[in-house]
Amino acid sequence: AQTVTQSQPEMSVQEAETVTLSCTYDTSESDYYLFWYKQPPSRQMILVIRQEAYKQQNATENRFSVNFQKAAKSFSLKISDSQLGDAAMYFCAYRSARINSGYALNFGKGTSLLVTP
Amino acid sequence: ETGVTQSPTHLIKTRGQQVTLRCSSQSGHNTVSWYQQALGQGPQFIFQYYREEENGRGNFPPRFSGLQFPNYSSELNVNALELDDSALYLCASSFLLGRDTSEQYFGPGTRLTVT
Repeated sequence: AQTVTQSQPEMSVQEAETVTLSCTYDTSESDYYLFWYKQPPSRQMILVIRQEAYKQQNATENRFSVNFQKAAKSFSLKISDSQLGDAAMYFCAYRSARINSGYALNFGKGTSLLVTP
Repeated sequence: ETGVTQSPTHLIKTRGQQVTLRCSSQSGHNTVSWYQQALGQGPQFIFQYYREEENGRGNFPPRFSGLQFPNYSSELNVNALELDDSALYLCASSFLLGRDTSEQYFGPGTRLTVT
């Protein structure tokens, strides 16, 4: 079974600064997808960014970018120019590309991000 | 475009009772997945429904069951409730076609408390 580890329970960043959230995963598969989801106090899980394992280029979505190191099984999220609205729980998630996987998302325990003015 | 909706928002049940949670998928989606999120934890996959059949299941006992209806909405049923079933239950919908699936879009969740 795949495991996803987020070693930072809490992180803090000042507004307009940059912060990096860490994620490592364990898998024997070669084809898979990785995601970062954001869960604000409203509880609704929001997709931030996704990365296909077969793509070497790191995904970018506006102020959010990832550093995907397939050999090291590392997938970190960088948030640039942090805003107060970025404060939330951030979850790293893995999804197998196998058809019989049920396309289940396998989540880490999350990192709570605090943004200070 | 209508997003994923869930009902009820909150629910309090007694140990041993049964509960039904409901989910309406996003417009255009044909697949529904259910997750359990205990306090302070990441969500855990319960199961997925596609074409009204279970399409994958996580490590949950048979007392967790589900249904998907022709309009792609879904129900999660939990029998013989235990205290550890207290959690946020999240529903996510997606579009599955052959081997390709869109990303999963989540609803706001149902908070279940078992006393």
